[in-house]
Amino acid sequence: QSVLTQPPSASGTPGQRVIISCSGSSSNIGFNPVNWYQQLPGTAPKLLIYTNSQRSSGVPGRFSGSKSGTSASLAISGLQSEDEASYYCAVWDDGLRGVLFGGGTKVTVL
Amino acid sequence: QVQLVQSGGEAKKPGASVKVSCKASGYTFREYAITWVRQAPGQGLEWLGWISTYSGNTDSAQNVQDRLTMTTDKDTTTAYMELRSLTSDDTAVYFCARGGPPMWKFDLWGQGTLVAVS
Repeated sequence: QSVLTQPPSASGTPGQRVIISCSGSSSNIGFNPVNWYQQLPGTAPKLLIYTNSQRSSGVPGRFSGSKSGTSASLAISGLQSEDEASYYCAVWDDGLRGVLFGGGTKVTVL
Repeated sequence: QVQLVQSGGEAKKPGASVKVSCKASGYTFREYAITWVRQAPGQGLEWLGWISTYSGNTDSAQNVQDRLTMTTDKDTTTAYMELRSLTSDDTAVYFCARGGPPMWKFDLWGQGTLVAVS
């Protein structure tokens, strides 16, 4: 079980807004920047959001990130079929002295 | 073309070692650290460690630090990860990624290398 808690799954119909949460603690999200990755089946992860809310180059504007206290969120607005993938939050942990990944959230487009 | 290209899949016996390579191209190798991440079948991502391509300094996760060695060859712009004393728990796809401290932003990934231990 990951120290960073994400819901295992989320779903929505095309056009809907989906929000994925990532809950941590003061030793990780509380003081360090959060990054988000998208992983399509059978492929390597892809950087979506860095430093809490900055979109990586080429990432559509419908993806946005935010952070408050010891939690972070990834929002997908205007959900599209190609957004069906697993999403991971990641952050440095000062106590463990390592990068932590959330357990991942599999997004299904209904 | 900016890319990281990893070596092919490996099948190993328990107790053996594996060395995975990650060749960088299309950018200045020494300007970015290389991080290693693995993913067991059907599981999430696990950070293993990172290496500075400039100084060679490394740091690794506590659960593998005694078995993991990361190196680089600046002449061939290739990073290597060697994991010793393999067990079935090490069966995973191993990724190299560009990036390290302080932002831990991994903006370029290799295609992954499957290491199967049985």
